[in-house]
Amino acid sequence: AQKVTQAQTEISVVEKEDVTLDCVYETRDTTYYLFWYKQPPSGELVFLIRRNSFDEQNEISGRYSWNFQKSTSSFNFTITASQVVDSAVYFCALRETDTDKLIFGTGTRLQVFP
Amino acid sequence: DAGVIQSPRHEVTEMGQEVTLRCKPISGHDYLFWYRQTMMRGLELLIYFNNNVPIDDSGMPEDRFSAKMPNASFSTLKIQPSEPRDSAVYFCASRISGRASFEQFFGPGTRLTVL
Repeated sequence: AQKVTQAQTEISVVEKEDVTLDCVYETRDTTYYLFWYKQPPSGELVFLIRRNSFDEQNEISGRYSWNFQKSTSSFNFTITASQVVDSAVYFCALRETDTDKLIFGTGTRLQVFP
Repeated sequence: DAGVIQSPRHEVTEMGQEVTLRCKPISGHDYLFWYRQTMMRGLELLIYFNNNVPIDDSGMPEDRFSAKMPNASFSTLKIQPSEPRDSAVYFCASRISGRASFEQFFGPGTRLTVL
C-alpha cells in the first residue's frame, strides 16, 4: 500500500533557525511523484514543489531546499533562516501512478517564534 | 490569473439540511478533485473528474454525498441530508493534463459546520 509518513507532528523554532521537515513514503511503483504543500493559518493549500522518482537532484529555491533520497524513501524539506511567515502546516504527498490520487501525510505544524 | 474558486467560504447549517458546495477550476484545467480535511482523518480525496467525467468516487463516504460536473468550469458537491460528522473543510483542486507535472492547485476551501 502507498503511504506517506510525517512523524513530526509539531516543530517550534526561533526565527533565523534552520529547520528540517521529514517525509518518508512507501510505494511499490517505480515511477511516482512527490509533493510538498504549505497550509498557512489562513487555510489554503499552496503548492511548493514536485519531484519525480527519476530525478534525485536536490533542489533549492531561496530559503527552501529539498533532499530526495530513494535509498531511504525520504523527501525532506529544509527551511534555512526561518521566518515568522513560515509558520504553517506543511504536507508531503505522493501521487499514485494508476489512479491520479494524491496521498497526503498527516502534516507537520511549524511554529516560528520571533 | 484566477485560481480555483470555491463558494461559499463558510457554511453553517442544521442537521438534516441539504448543503451544496461549489467550485470553479482554473481555466483550461481538465481534472477536478474534491477533498475533505478533518482533524481525525486529515486530507482525504472524495472524488475526482477528468473532462467532466467522474473517474474515481471511492472516497465518497456514503450515499448522502454526491458530486457533479456539468461543464468544464463548474462542479458541485452536495450533502443531503447533512450530519454533524460532515463538519470539515472541503477543498476543490484542479490540474491540467498533458504535462508530466501532476501538481494540483487548491481552492481556498469551504468550512462547513453542521449543527
